[in-house]
Amino acid sequence: AQSVTQLDSQVPVFEEAPVELRCNYSSSVSVYLFWYVQYPNQGLQLLLKYLSGSTLVKGINGFEAEFNKSQTSFHLRKPSVHISDTAEYFCAVSARGYSTLTFGKGTMLLVSP
Amino acid sequence: GAGVSQSPRYKVAKRGQDVALRCDPISGHVSLFWYQQALGQGPEFLTYFQNEAQLDKSGLPSDRFFAERPEGSVSTLKIQRTQQEDSAVYLCASSPAGGGPYGYTFGSGTRLTVV
Repeated sequence: AQSVTQLDSQVPVFEEAPVELRCNYSSSVSVYLFWYVQYPNQGLQLLLKYLSGSTLVKGINGFEAEFNKSQTSFHLRKPSVHISDTAEYFCAVSARGYSTLTFGKGTMLLVSP
Repeated sequence: GAGVSQSPRYKVAKRGQDVALRCDPISGHVSLFWYQQALGQGPEFLTYFQNEAQLDKSGLPSDRFFAERPEGSVSTLKIQRTQQEDSAVYLCASSPAGGGPYGYTFGSGTRLTVV
């Protein structure tokens, strides 16, 4: 079985500041890793995913994440946030050879002017 | 269609009422997933279909929950005798082939409120 831990339930940050949202996972087999964003009353939108290869993954809206196998982490970063980045962010894992996604509890990113 | 469509968008049910939630996946996507998202929580897996076959229903919380996909396209999640703890957003996702590296596309969800 897989599990995902998002260490921060809320991250407040000022506009144009950098941000890091932390994600750690647990799995006995190799995994695929995902970050999704959810705006109020909407579904989940894929930000980026790690399948294999380069451990630094670039996604939409200026976000990037780095896969660290030894630390079983997949932290999400953005060098300069905008007000419009205010949303809930979910880290998710899918074990290789299995189909289902397992999500963390989410981190609410609150960007203020 | 262009995306995953779920209906209704909102549903209010009286406790004890039966409800049916519909998911229209992306045309040609063989895999379909249902998730339950309680308020302030991450989505939790309910069940998974490959075409019309329900391959995993380990996440269904009780025998009041039932899902089907009879023709391998549209899926319906049915909840019998709804309880207050069933209040949540129910998300549907589809994938071209089994998720994982093939990705998942989510619908906007159905928000169920049981009163």
